[in-house]
Amino acid sequence: KAGVTQTPRYLIKTRGQQVTLSCSPISGHRSVSWYQQTPGQGLQFLFEYFSETQRNKGNFPGRFSGRQFSNSRSEMNVSTLELGDSALYLCASSLAGHSNQPQHFGDGTRLSIL
Amino acid sequence: KNEVEQSPQNLTAQEGEFITINCSYSVGISALHWLQQHPGGGIVSLFMLSSGKKKHGRLIATINIQEKHSSLHITASHPRDSAVYICAVFSNYGQNFVFGPGTRLSVLP
Repeated sequence: KAGVTQTPRYLIKTRGQQVTLSCSPISGHRSVSWYQQTPGQGLQFLFEYFSETQRNKGNFPGRFSGRQFSNSRSEMNVSTLELGDSALYLCASSLAGHSNQPQHFGDGTRLSIL
Repeated sequence: KNEVEQSPQNLTAQEGEFITINCSYSVGISALHWLQQHPGGGIVSLFMLSSGKKKHGRLIATINIQEKHSSLHITASHPRDSAVYICAVFSNYGQNFVFGPGTRLSVLP
């Protein structure tokens, strides 16, 4: 069974640009969550999608958005990039996003803002 | 005060030693997860706990809901156990995961 796939693995952008990251969950998983990891703040929850609907959102500005398609694949978009957006962006999938279900993480997209 | 705290922040051990990593949290939770992150970023889920104790190979995880505390134990540690171990709680309030800062473990041969 294929794992969670995130593309691209690495990305370099400049301030003011926008970026779209992709996450393909494990087959059959309907919940996809996105996380930001930085050396200073650690891992932080961005948002969760379930059956194409955003079910929960963390404390991030509106520049961070996402969506989920009917095949459960998810994309995350960050507009007007800032230096502080440099981070490892991880997505994780689970069957239904319940607290007692294991989260399966992708290898992440490392985003660098110049 | 952070909602999830871990100790120690860094830990260096000799191969074969018994290791304990602690996690304390201040919010109401429905489950606690222990995660392992290797250099390069990949994260693996080790345990999910809502009560009691679980064992998988050389790893043991316990949780005390009343004391809001969990421990991860590694018996007969090995250099391949070197990684960052992260405690994550599923918050009842936000209905999302809140993460500890991680414990960086280095096991020397």
